Amino acid sequence: GIQVEQSPPDLILQEGANSTLRCNFSDSVNNLQWFHQNPWGQLINLFYIPSGTKQNGRLSATTVATERYSLLYISSSQTTDSGVYFCAVDAGGTSYGKLTFGQGTILTVHP
Amino acid sequence: DTGVSQDPRHKITKRGQNVTFRCDPISEHNRLYWYRQTLGQGPEFLTYFQNEAQLEKSRLLSDRFSAERPKGSFSTLEIQRTEQGDSAMYLCASQRRTQETQYFGPGTRLLVL
Repeated sequence: GIQVEQSPPDLILQEGANSTLRCNFSDSVNNLQWFHQNPWGQLINLFYIPSGTKQNGRLSATTVATERYSLLYISSSQTTDSGVYFCAVDAGGTSYGKLTFGQGTILTVHP
Repeated sequence: DTGVSQDPRHKITKRGQNVTFRCDPISEHNRLYWYRQTLGQGPEFLTYFQNEAQLEKSRLLSDRFSAERPKGSFSTLEIQRTEQGDSAMYLCASQRRTQETQYFGPGTRLLVL
């Protein structure tokens, strides 16, 4: 099956700093989503981005499908950005839309 | 609230007991997924429904697990004879069609003592 690798596994920032999270995947994808998992376990949708670039406030994401990677940018980080960030992909074909998740990046933002 | 809902949010049970979880998807979403997440890992796919039809099951879904989606609306996931290894967060997601966003519920956190 498709493999998803996220880097870095852990990231510690001071409030106000910028960061880039990376997601590499091993095959072409129909769907790519970025999620933020809050301390209560809720997966919050950040972006649906199988290709191209999107921005939402301080967050933006870029997926280069031909090179099989996606990047999530967080600018001017805040303590509320802390949590786990997951990239998840749908390989299409017979996958029935199921998402394969990476291991996540644990982000800690200190005041 | 028109998001995905799950019930209960937390469940503590003793080994060997049966448990059942419920998921209510977003209205008009005919695709429904169950995932399981253990500590420190990303969620892993368990099973998928298109309307009332269960179209795929992961090898993670042993014969102690059964899922249903009667009438293509809410779904239930039952675990029989629970084991300590079943302790995890069980997540439900719904989607209107492929190549669109999957929306996740808040999850049911299961602890088997």
